[in-house]
Amino acid sequence: GQQVMQIPQYQHVQEGEDFTTYCNSSTTLSNIQWYKQRPGGHPVFLIQLVKSGEVKKQKRLTFQFGEAKKNSSLHITATQTTDVGTYFCWGTYKYIFGTGTRLKVLA
Amino acid sequence: DAGVTQSPTHLIKTRGQHVTLRCSPISGHKSVSWYQQVLGQGPQFIFQYYEKEERGRGNFPDRFSARQFPNYSSELNVNALLLGDSALYLCASSFRYREMIETQYFGPGTRLLVL
Repeated sequence: GQQVMQIPQYQHVQEGEDFTTYCNSSTTLSNIQWYKQRPGGHPVFLIQLVKSGEVKKQKRLTFQFGEAKKNSSLHITATQTTDVGTYFCWGTYKYIFGTGTRLKVLA
Repeated sequence: DAGVTQSPTHLIKTRGQHVTLRCSPISGHKSVSWYQQVLGQGPQFIFQYYEKEERGRGNFPDRFSARQFPNYSSELNVNALLLGDSALYLCASSFRYREMIETQYFGPGTRLLVL
């Protein structure tokens, strides 16, 4: 079946360092969404990417959709302690969440 | 506007029992999806309902069932509970059913513990 893998599984960074998580699908995705889940919380929508090669920015966050629409990335510049949480990608086809990347930011 | 609401927030059951979880979507949203999130893992899709009809089903046993009411609220039922059913159950609502473009708004979830 379709799988959506994310790497790394865990990432510890010093505050101010950059962070990137990668999302890879075994099949082509029509579009992809990114969610953030704080510890003890629920997933919160961050952004949706639809077009091949699309790049979107939200302040310190940069999202990219691969040309083949099978992978995506989320890059955070100059991490802050408020960035702590697990970041999930979500392929709208079959409603599959990625495995998630848990980010810890050390002050 | 109120967000997605779920009840109860926490629940403790014993093996073999039955449980009903409830979800009220954001006003105007006609689609509700249910997910199971085991500790340390990503949410796993259980069901999607739109306009009171099941539109999608994940890989869960028949012990899991759901329905959507005319006011678009939804119930998730789990029969013959197993220890492995212990998880956070998330409900998400979205404005319209199109697999291509849907932003999901999640509720706070119901934490179920099966003893």
